[in-house]
Amino acid sequence: KAGVTQTPRYLIKTRGQQVTLSCSPISGHRSVSWYQQTPGQGLQFLFEYFSETQRNKGNFPGRFSGRQFSNSRSEMNVSTLELGDSALYLCASSSDQTGGLTGELFFGEGSRLTVL
Amino acid sequence: SQQGEEDPQALSIQEGENATMNCSYKTSINNLQWYRQNSGRGLVHLILIRSNEREKHSGRLRVTLDTSKKSSSLLITASRAADTASYFCATAADYGNNRLAFGKGNQVVVIP
Repeated sequence: KAGVTQTPRYLIKTRGQQVTLSCSPISGHRSVSWYQQTPGQGLQFLFEYFSETQRNKGNFPGRFSGRQFSNSRSEMNVSTLELGDSALYLCASSSDQTGGLTGELFFGEGSRLTVL
Repeated sequence: SQQGEEDPQALSIQEGENATMNCSYKTSINNLQWYRQNSGRGLVHLILIRSNEREKHSGRLRVTLDTSKKSSSLLITASRAADTASYFCATAADYGNNRLAFGKGNQVVVIP
C-alpha cells in the first residue's frame, strides 16, 4: 500500500498570502488529521476529518481551515499568513476500525512552510 | 491542557546500550502511543498501549503505563545507530476521533 502523500513538500510564502496544502491518505483510510509542528510549540493538533466532516478541531484561529473530499483526500488552507505560521505541517490518516477508540496514525513526510 | 509530556532530556548513548525515556500526562486517557521522528520528517508509529494494559513489548521496544501516576516509559534495548531520532509520546483521551496530544519529544543520539 502507498503511504500518506503530502504536497508540496516545501514552500515559501510571504506574509499576507494564503497557502493550500494537500494530503492523500492511505487507500481505505477515511480519517485524516492535520498537525502543526514548530520548535517552540511542538506538535499541535489542527483538525480531523472523517467522511468529509470535520470531527474535531484544535485551538487555532479561523485562518486555518480544511476540508475532505469524497475520496478521503484532504486539503488545509491558511489565509493571511503570519511569520509564526512557519512550520512543518503533518497529515496523518487512520483506518478508524477500532470501534471508536483512537488507533495508530500513519503520517506523511510533511509540508514545510516558510513565511517571509 | 497539554497531555503527553516527556522528560525534556536529550539522551546520548553508545550503540548496544539501552535507552529509557519517560512521559507524563495530566488527564484520563484511553491509550498512549509512542512515535519516532527522524530529522524533521514524518512520524512513525512505534507502539500503542491501552489504558487497561500495564506493559507491552514490540521487538526491542518495551513500554510501560502507570495510570495511577499518569506516566509511561519507553525502553529501547540494544540500541543501534539507526535508533537516532526524536521520540514522542502521544495520548488519546477521547473516543470517536483521532485527536492525539503530543509531548515535546526526547532526542536520542546513538553513537556507533
